[in-house]
Amino acid sequence: ETGVTQTPRHLVMGMTNKKSLKCEQHLGHNAMYWYKQSAKKPLELMFVYSLEERVENNSVPSRFSPECPNSSHLFLHLHTLQPEDSALYLCASSQVVQGIEAFFGQGTRLTVV
Amino acid sequence: AQTVTQSQPEMSVQEAETVTLSCTYDTSESDYYLFWYKQPPSRQMILVIRQEAYKQQNATENRFSVNFQKAAKSFSLKISDSQLGDAAMYFCAYRGYSGGGADGLTFGKGTHLIIQP
Repeated sequence: ETGVTQTPRHLVMGMTNKKSLKCEQHLGHNAMYWYKQSAKKPLELMFVYSLEERVENNSVPSRFSPECPNSSHLFLHLHTLQPEDSALYLCASSQVVQGIEAFFGQGTRLTVV
Repeated sequence: AQTVTQSQPEMSVQEAETVTLSCTYDTSESDYYLFWYKQPPSRQMILVIRQEAYKQQNATENRFSVNFQKAAKSFSLKISDSQLGDAAMYFCAYRGYSGGGADGLTFGKGTHLIIQP
């Protein structure tokens, strides 16, 4: 049983839709992350929240909008996506102490049609 | 910027045999952390092993061990007595020391490990 839970597991959306991905961690961590995993590419770090403050966004397009209301919850709001945004979106959490590994959720498989 | 390279897109090994997955990385930092993650078909990324760069001793976790060569910037994973449950994608990952975790992980492209019964 994972300490990081993502919902939904699968999502199909049209390019004009608005949807949100949700992540919840039960590990008492104080940093949360969104990663994008596309076929044949390394995992790409999208957003980092450390102590509920956004640290970096790595030049992610504005059609992706993160929200971190508290240290246990992280959202990724999606708006007017493109087909190339179809991917597995992984949430992770960790403790902001050097060397502590990240714990991942099972991901949301997103398909943009 | 740091980069992580896994040169083996796919590896195959007989059950009970030993297999080594390769990873090299590029960094200008002297202190950092390296990880191997496993991603089975369930898509759950699971930590296999981690290595602190300041430690000379190679990390081991049961059947999993690493060969960390800091000067060569190499970090290979050895899986002994391979089991069917080891079949998965394996990702090598890097984290810098100074960010305290706020800089996330840099991943390689992964190696698909197949276990032949």
